[in-house]
Amino acid sequence: QKEVEQNSGPLSVPEGAIASLNCTYSDRVSQSFFWYRQYSGKSPELIMSIYSNGDKEDGRFTAQLNKASQYVSLLIRDSQPSDSATYLCAVNMDSTGGGADGLTFGKGTHLIIQP
Amino acid sequence: DGGITQSPKYLFRKEGQNVTLSCEQNLNHDAMYWYRQDPGQGLRLIYYSQIVNDFQKGDIAEGYSVSREKKESFPLTVTSAQKNPTAFYLCASLNDRTYEQYFGPGTRLTVT
Repeated sequence: QKEVEQNSGPLSVPEGAIASLNCTYSDRVSQSFFWYRQYSGKSPELIMSIYSNGDKEDGRFTAQLNKASQYVSLLIRDSQPSDSATYLCAVNMDSTGGGADGLTFGKGTHLIIQP
Repeated sequence: DGGITQSPKYLFRKEGQNVTLSCEQNLNHDAMYWYRQDPGQGLRLIYYSQIVNDFQKGDIAEGYSVSREKKESFPLTVTSAQKNPTAFYLCASLNDRTYEQYFGPGTRLTVT
């Protein structure tokens, strides 16, 4: 059973602080990991991709991957009210690494940035 | 302007009717996907197609059908056999260099 687990929240963070979002996945052979942001009533928007262990930074966002622990996280620095959204963790569990079989999504963490 | 379009944005149907959702992309991507999202839930894979004239069932294909006659187009039909069709339907395509999937704006289907 392919599973991606996230804490549903809501996670409330003061403006300007660091928001930390976590995700665990069940399939040890997973190759590709993604974070999507979804505003209410809208479609998911890709914000980060990570493929190897360690940290990947893009602006205020940092994705962290630990394949041994089957754990991926997203840090948002200097949180803004516009960051308030649901964040979906997605994992490609295609054992061939081809990526074309579709993604397995967590249910998302609802993040609220308090002004 | 490259991207994925879905139409219509909102769709209302009576129970027992089949309905077809449109998805078009001009990103030149080979692989395309249909997901369903229910309130408070993650996305669940309905069907995907890795190449023209070929498609595979996802995790929840029952009550749905698809076709892939053109690279740019991947329509989804919600049939009367689908027990709970009311949902937010999302189409995506895959960048096969990065394995990143990009989503269209979605179609919100309500069946009464």
